[in-house]
Parts: sequence; C-alpha cells; structure tokens
Amino acid sequence: GQQLNQSPQSMFIQEGEDVSMNCTSSSIFNTWLWYKQDPGEGPVLLIALYKAGELTSNGRLTAQFGITRKDSFLNISASIPSDVGIYFCAGLGILYNQGGKLIFGQGTELSVKP
Amino acid sequence: NAGVTQTPKFRILKIGQSMTLQCAQDMNHNYMYWYRQDPGMGLKLIYYSVGAGITDKGEVPNGYNVSRSTTEDFPLRLELAAPSQTSVYFCASRYSGATNEKLFFGSGTQLSVL
Repeated sequence: GQQLNQSPQSMFIQEGEDVSMNCTSSSIFNTWLWYKQDPGEGPVLLIALYKAGELTSNGRLTAQFGITRKDSFLNISASIPSDVGIYFCAGLGILYNQGGKLIFGQGTELSVKP
Repeated sequence: NAGVTQTPKFRILKIGQSMTLQCAQDMNHNYMYWYRQDPGMGLKLIYYSVGAGITDKGEVPNGYNVSRSTTEDFPLRLELAAPSQTSVYFCASRYSGATNEKLFFGSGTQLSVL
C-alpha cells in the first residue's frame, strides 16, 4: 500500500537556524501537503502543493513538490520558539478510486532552543 | 458554522465492549476521514469517505467499521474493543475543490481500552 517515509524523526536546533525535512514514497501522489500539530490539537495545514516541481512559500516556510511526484520537502528559515511542534507531510492518492485517500508521514518533532 | 464536531472527548472501555465515535460536519464537505494517532506517532488512516453512501478502507481498518448515510455524519464503530485500539482518534473533513485541500479536524477523542 501507499506509505510515506518522513525524515528526520526529530530535530533539536538553536533559534535562528534553518530547518529542512522531507518525505519520500514509492507511490506517486498528485497533491502534497504539509501540516503542523501542536500538543492536544489536530494538525493545521501549512502549505499545499499541486504540481510536480512546484515551489511554494508561506512566510518563513517553503515547500517543494518533487519532480518525480514521489517526494516533497519543507524548509523553515530563521526558526523561532513558536515553531516547536510536530510537522507532518501528507499525500493525496493519484488513482481515480483513491483520489480521496489522504495519508500522513510519521512526523518530524521539532524542538527550538531559545 | 461549528466545523467538525467530534464526540466524546474521552472514553474508557473494557476489553470486548463496543462503542461509536460520532463525527459531524456542517460545511457540506464531501470527503471525511477517520485517523488514529498513537503516542509520538503520525496519523494512520482508518477509513475514509468520498461522499454519502461511499466508504473505503484506509491503512489500518481492522477492528473498525464506518457508515456514511448523510453528507454530515461519519460515525466510527468499534465492535469488540481491544487494548491495541487505545489511541487518540481524529475525524476530519475537506472540500474536494481542485486547489482547496484544507483538512478540517475535530478536537479528537482519547480512547483507552483496559
């Protein structure tokens, strides 16, 4: 079945540093999404990517949809303490009968030292 | 709009008991999802629905059942609760527009099976 492999699992960085995380899959997705989850909350959408090669920014966040449609990365520049949380990639299936199937990566837990 | 309403927030079950987690959305979204999130892990898709009367299995459907008789409601049924089903459950919905992939999550149900 479709699986997303997200790395790294966790990161400990200093405030002001840049962060990069990525997701890969053996399956093709037609949409890649990046979410952030704070403790006790549901995930919140950060960036949505719809086309292979697409590069999209949302403030200090930049994400790219890989050319092969099997991967995506998220960069956070100049991290701040409120960036702490768990970041998830998610992919929407490409097959017509799986177009609604949205699956998540395992998550990257980010800790930021002030 | 109330968004996605998920009940109950907490529940403790004994092994072998059954229960239904309720999920309702008032945004006329056609896609709805049930995920489970184990501690420190990502979200695993249990079941999803692309519209009233249509449901499909996700990554971890065993031990669960769903129904989608209306657009608004998507209940998740546990027939014979097992300790392995101890988890936090999230219901979510989204509109299926080409460039509108925002997933709205409920507040979660923390379920313990003892």
